[in-house]
Formats: sequence, structure tokens, C-alpha cells
Amino acid sequence: QKEVEQNSGPLSVPEGAIASLNCTYSDRVSQSFFWYRQYSGKSPELIMSIYSNGDKEDGRFTAQLNKASQYVSLLIRDSQPSDSATYLCAVNSGGYQKVTFGTGTKLQVIP
Amino acid sequence: ETGVTQTPRHLVMGMTNKKSLKCEQHLGHNAMYWYKQSAKKPLELMFVYSLEERVENNSVPSRFSPECPNSSHLFLHLHTLQPEDSALYLCASSQDLVGSGRTSTDTQYFGPGTRLTVL
Repeated sequence: QKEVEQNSGPLSVPEGAIASLNCTYSDRVSQSFFWYRQYSGKSPELIMSIYSNGDKEDGRFTAQLNKASQYVSLLIRDSQPSDSATYLCAVNSGGYQKVTFGTGTKLQVIP
Repeated sequence: ETGVTQTPRHLVMGMTNKKSLKCEQHLGHNAMYWYKQSAKKPLELMFVYSLEERVENNSVPSRFSPECPNSSHLFLHLHTLQPEDSALYLCASSQDLVGSGRTSTDTQYFGPGTRLTVL
């Protein structure tokens, strides 16, 4: 049973559009949620972290968390070709348990 | 240097070799992690150290042996690996241990990884 699920994509959006990436998780006691960007052949780079319900904005990025529905999303406004990467969702269920990563969604921004 | 560094960046080894991966964090963090990333699979947590003490070992085969001599350095010793162990090995660190209850300081920062190929 997958604990963190993401659509593998690829998700293709035109340059300047809004890219919407979604992630669902199974453990209701999850406390911390993270979005990482990973370029091909590189390591994951933290984009956003979110800990409470609602929206959190940072520049062109907005993370949305809905604990009741057990999903977290990442919106990228004014998408740029440089945003093309795989986006990993990670969820921490607390205690000494691991942070669980999804398999990632590949985003392609078309110029 | 800043952040989390890993050496070597690429490693090719035979099944009978012994090698070590090194990770160093310059962030003053208390927790360090080893992950394995294989194609088409989620990141797999291998080992967790908090203040140099191992707190998690996710049923990793004994051919992988971690070592944390101090809070800034983490090693992964490799011996008699199998071809299926070929993957990207990532080191990460966080201010506090993931799941410690202190949110905002449990964010993990990753090193560039070591691309390992086992022949």
C-alpha cells in the first residue's frame, strides 16, 4: 500500500501557465509536508514546507494543505521552462518514523 | 564549503570491492540521513543518525554499514554489493530529527548524491 501517491506525469503546461501538482497521503497523523524539486541527475532541492491547513505562498509557488482530505498540492504560477523537473512530495508522520516520499511528478513547461 | 557535500560523486565498483561514501554537512545540524534512490522508485530511507546515535535502520542489508563519527560527518561503507545496489545514494541533514515534534526544523537538506554503479 502506497503511503504517498503522486501522478507520475509527465504534466505538460505552456510557459506562463499555472502548473498544479497534487499529492495524497494515507497516514492521518502526518504533521509535516514538503515539496522538493529534482532536476534530472541532481539531488532534491526543497521548494516549500507546510505544516498547517491552508495556503502558504513563496514567490511563484503556493503550497496548499487539506488534512481532512489528506492531500497537499503545489501551484506554480507563471511557469518557466526552468521549472521543468520532477517534483517530489514528502510527508512526515511524526515520531522517529521516516519521512515518506512519493515517486514524483515530472513537469514539462513548453516554451 | 556550504550545505551538504558528498564524495565521491560517481563510483564504479566490482562486487568484491570495498568502498566508502562520505557525507559532510556544514549547517550545524543534529540529524543526518542516508537515502537510496533507484529509477522509478521513491526515495528509500536507509539510516538515520541523531547526535551521532543511530535511531533508524530500515532493514538494510548488512553489506551497507553506516558510521557517524561526529555530528558533521556520515559515512556509508560498502562491501560485496550486488548489481541491484546500483543507484543514487543521497545524504541529507536536518536541524532536528524528523518526527521530533519540532516542526520547521525537521526540513531535510540533501547533498548532491553519489551515483553508484556495481558491476
